Amino acid sequence: EAGVAQSPRYKIIEKRQSVAFWCNPISGHATLYWYQQILGQGPKLLIQFQNNGVVDDSQLPKDRFSAERLKGVDSTLKIQPAKLEDSAVYLCASGPPGAANTGELFFGEGSRLTVL
Amino acid sequence: KQEVTQIPAALSVPEGENLVLNCSFTDSAIYNLQWFRQDPGKGLTSLLLIQSSQREQTSGRLNASLDKSSGRSTLYIAASQPGDSATYLCAVRYNFNKFYFGSGTKLNVKP
Repeated sequence: EAGVAQSPRYKIIEKRQSVAFWCNPISGHATLYWYQQILGQGPKLLIQFQNNGVVDDSQLPKDRFSAERLKGVDSTLKIQPAKLEDSAVYLCASGPPGAANTGELFFGEGSRLTVL
Repeated sequence: KQEVTQIPAALSVPEGENLVLNCSFTDSAIYNLQWFRQDPGKGLTSLLLIQSSQREQTSGRLNASLDKSSGRSTLYIAASQPGDSATYLCAVRYNFNKFYFGSGTKLNVKP
């Protein structure tokens, strides 16, 4: 079974530029999460999708961050304009639906963003 | 508010030692607790998942226990090896598939 795919793995941009990250969850997984992980800290939830609907985006800085999951499969996270404090690893995770849901999270390799 | 705390933040041990990592959570109404391993520059790899009705789970040299009423979980690593060096994170799942993470314990196993 293929895992959660993320790209790009690394991105370096200057402040005020824009960047987009892509995530393809494990096939059939209904729930998709984007987390931000700053060095030395645990992952912080940015947004949670259930199929193509948003369940929780309360911690997403909506003035600069946006995310979509139009067909309920893959997802894109965008930052525009980027700030220095956005330097972090952006992790995508997914979980299976319904009765198959043991509550286990599966993570991708992450996308490391450096803002100069 | 749900909070997850991991102690210690860092740990350095000689190879072969048995060790215990701790995870505590403030809200005991959990669905499950998951332990992850994270290598530098990598994503999180699941190690063990304990459902709220379980007391412990084992995989190889790893044993995780859960005491829901006291809000604690421990990850026991037997006969540690240099390859175990990584950051270990715990994540607690609550209703509506909400997950809360600790800040992790950075483990260094010295040869």
